[in-house]
Amino acid sequence: GNSVTQMEGPVTLSEEAFLTINCTYTATGYPSLFWYVQYPGEGLQLLLKATKADDKGSNKGFEATYRKETTSFHLEKGSVQVSDSAVYFCALTEYSTLTFGKGTMLLVSP
Amino acid sequence: KAGVTQTPRYLIKTRGQQVTLSCSPISGHRSVSWYQQTPGQGLQFLFEYFSETQRNKGNFPGRFSGRQFSNSRSEMNVSTLELGDSALYLCASRNTDTQYFGPGTRLTVL
Repeated sequence: GNSVTQMEGPVTLSEEAFLTINCTYTATGYPSLFWYVQYPGEGLQLLLKATKADDKGSNKGFEATYRKETTSFHLEKGSVQVSDSAVYFCALTEYSTLTFGKGTMLLVSP
Repeated sequence: KAGVTQTPRYLIKTRGQQVTLSCSPISGHRSVSWYQQTPGQGLQFLFEYFSETQRNKGNFPGRFSGRQFSNSRSEMNVSTLELGDSALYLCASRNTDTQYFGPGTRLTVL
């Protein structure tokens, strides 16, 4: 079956630091890959996506590249802000069902 | 376009009762999926509806059911509530391969 593994948190950074959250996946076919973000008390917001190998998804300074050879989709941001503090979920979809990682909490201090 | 809406936002029930949650998808989206989010199990897929038909079902007991109406609005029902059903229930509507989530319904079972 499909599965997603992402680094455990919390990840604690100072403002303007570089962020990497690792994500690897196992899939039977050729999935689309996503990063969602969840702020306290809210639902999931789509952050970015990639649908084929070597695609780079980007949004709000966040980036992730679909690496089929390493089955990875690591999330990066060059300079985090306090407002980026949230839980980040890596996910894949095949046949319309999303499979999620367990989430990584990011805490950014001023 | 308006986003995915879910009602109610918060519910408190007691064991043995039943509950119905409602979801209105983004206009034009015909697929609605439901997910359960708990601290222990993370995000788990419940079921997906498309054009009033259940297309996929996750590994949940028969106490969890759903339906979709001709206007694509969806409801999910949980009967004979158990303490372990306390969770955030998220609805998502889908366009091609991307799912967009609502704010969720926070169900507390006492």
